[in-house]
Amino acid sequence: DADVTQTPRNRITKTGKRIMLECSQTKGHDRMYWYRQDPGLGLRLIYYSFDVKDINKGEISDGYSVSRQAQAKFSLSLESAIPNQTALYFCAVWDIDQETQYFGPGTRLLVL
Amino acid sequence: KQEVTQIPAALSVPEGENLVLNCSFTDSAIYNLQWFRQDPGKGLTSLLLIQSSQREQTSGRLNASLDKSSGRSTLYIAASQPGDSATYLCAVKWFRSGGGADGLTFGKGTHLIIQP
Repeated sequence: DADVTQTPRNRITKTGKRIMLECSQTKGHDRMYWYRQDPGLGLRLIYYSFDVKDINKGEISDGYSVSRQAQAKFSLSLESAIPNQTALYFCAVWDIDQETQYFGPGTRLLVL
Repeated sequence: KQEVTQIPAALSVPEGENLVLNCSFTDSAIYNLQWFRQDPGKGLTSLLLIQSSQREQTSGRLNASLDKSSGRSTLYIAASQPGDSATYLCAVKWFRSGGGADGLTFGKGTHLIIQP
């Protein structure tokens, strides 16, 4: 368990608003990830970070930005939210010893 | 394109049956493969992790196999129980060649219902 926390757990916002989803981890993992999940679909990678100075785009980065403020924190921003960004968002870390990803509890976002 | 496919999309069986969930992947250059369980509206719980060099992993009533040559993995659930009802996700971590993206590639999942 990597003790990954996400805030908020639920968020309702309006089209055009800027919002930030936050992720924190307590075990000092270097690699952090943001995914989104739409109903009936698997998770898709938005952005990932290997360390504070290394940010990389994933499969579906358009409309999103990220910030790695510290090793323990990785934030996802929606600059101007739109309804098709309504989804369940997951943060994850890569445990290099276990060679597996551990996921946070998710943030449910509704864009009206 | 590296893709992961899960069949069936949904499955409903009576309690007590043994069942198999299938996962196929398009590229044999996998680093490892992981099976997750997801309850409605909840996060992901890792069930089994199979490294590229392994053929199978077992945990309790669960057994996962990996056949890289055929691009397939199966999750076998023995003596199913109503508490096994959930969505099961297969995810692949690929070897990163040519600057490909890191992270996991997920299938769309199998929604499993175990009838009491």
